[in-house]
Amino acid sequence: DGGITQSPKYLFRKEGQNVTLSCEQNLNHDAMYWYRQDPGQGLRLIYYSQIVNDFQKGDIAEGYSVSREKKESFPLTVTSAQKNPTAFYLCASKRSGIYNEQFFGPGTRLTVL
Amino acid sequence: KQEVTQIPAALSVPEGENLVLNCSFTDSAIYNLQWFRQDPGKGLTSLLLIQSSQREQTSGRLNASLDKSSGRSTLYIAASQPGDSATYLCAVGVKNTGNQFYFGTGTSLTVIP
Repeated sequence: DGGITQSPKYLFRKEGQNVTLSCEQNLNHDAMYWYRQDPGQGLRLIYYSQIVNDFQKGDIAEGYSVSREKKESFPLTVTSAQKNPTAFYLCASKRSGIYNEQFFGPGTRLTVL
Repeated sequence: KQEVTQIPAALSVPEGENLVLNCSFTDSAIYNLQWFRQDPGKGLTSLLLIQSSQREQTSGRLNASLDKSSGRSTLYIAASQPGDSATYLCAVGVKNTGNQFYFGTGTSLTVIP
């Protein structure tokens, strides 16, 4: 089955630690996105990538980093510089081109202890 | 910057009722608008995608309309069912932003049996 997988489903981090969230897709999509969702707020874009080895910052990139070494994979690292990382993180992908729809993974809930 | 608003934030209706969810956006320079459903603790499921040149899209009991000039979209749900209970989000694909999407905060729908 084609789709987007995110792992882990739940992640706990101690303050000062870096953690990496996984996002993999087998839809052959060129573009991939990372969003953060907080209660009562809409999704906010962290980073996006339209092609392998290239990515752009979204509205809230501070404290996060990404890589895009393979078309299928777009991992997100939450660094210790992110002051309020507890949130629900969603990965999405879409075919290249401006008229195509986004598809989402199941999400990772990150909690800082 | 594009601002997307969804009103009401929450809605409760009896089963069988027809209902309308609203989405408004401030900048009409959009490629498309996408409606999603999100169940608690889950990722987003795509419902309908409307291109900027279209007026409406239909899928089963769902009908989405788009009035780009007035910055509005509506999602009409016919004959609501308890299984329709979820949060509904709209997102606009914005021109000149490298394929970015901006999301509303969602409408939480409860259909009472």
